Amino acid sequence: GQNIDQPTEMTATEGAIVQINCTYQTSGFNGLFWYQQHAGEAPTFLSYNVLDGLEEKGRFSSFLSRSKGYSYLLLKELQMKDSASYLCAVRDSNYQLIWGAGTKLIIKP
Amino acid sequence: IAGITQAPTSQILAAGRRMTLRCTQDMRHNAMYWYRQDLGLGLRLIHYSNTAGTTGKGEVPDGYSVSRANTDDFPLTLASAVPSQTSVYFCASSDAGGATDTQYFGPGTRLTVL
Repeated sequence: GQNIDQPTEMTATEGAIVQINCTYQTSGFNGLFWYQQHAGEAPTFLSYNVLDGLEEKGRFSSFLSRSKGYSYLLLKELQMKDSASYLCAVRDSNYQLIWGAGTKLIIKP
Repeated sequence: IAGITQAPTSQILAAGRRMTLRCTQDMRHNAMYWYRQDLGLGLRLIHYSNTAGTTGKGEVPDGYSVSRANTDDFPLTLASAVPSQTSVYFCASSDAGGATDTQYFGPGTRLTVL
């Protein structure tokens, strides 16, 4: 079967750095997405990786290793507004997105 | 309209009733999707449409139907609602065939079936 694993919950301090990991086992791979979802709101797109390596976008970076079935989302200079769930999703061989359950990130002052 | 809209925002429905959730996008995206989101689970695809006039089944299609008469609208119908269909429903759209085919989401409909 297809599987996306992420930690259920993480806690970090305002101003610090946090890394959210995602491992996947899917039938085929056609890209990996990270989304942010604030409580009660829709998921919003953060980043896309299809080749190995690091993609940087401001305070957020996303890394991919296809050989290891592994990605991480790195958030720097954490702000209170970064408190949200972070969803990892992989596009499989059928071009459908397979979603992880999400990681709830709690930021403390 | 900017982006994707969904209606209603929330609904309480008696079991056995028929319900249609509406979704409209103004981005001229060719692909549209319906997901449900339940606590502790990832988003699960119900139905999708790669282009107007075509639809396909996702991971959890039973009890749901869709139609895609035009590019902008993609309604989801529950023919006879059951309590297990209590969930938050998200509609999404994407420019399938584009560089990343990123999906963009509507604000969601919170549905409770009693």
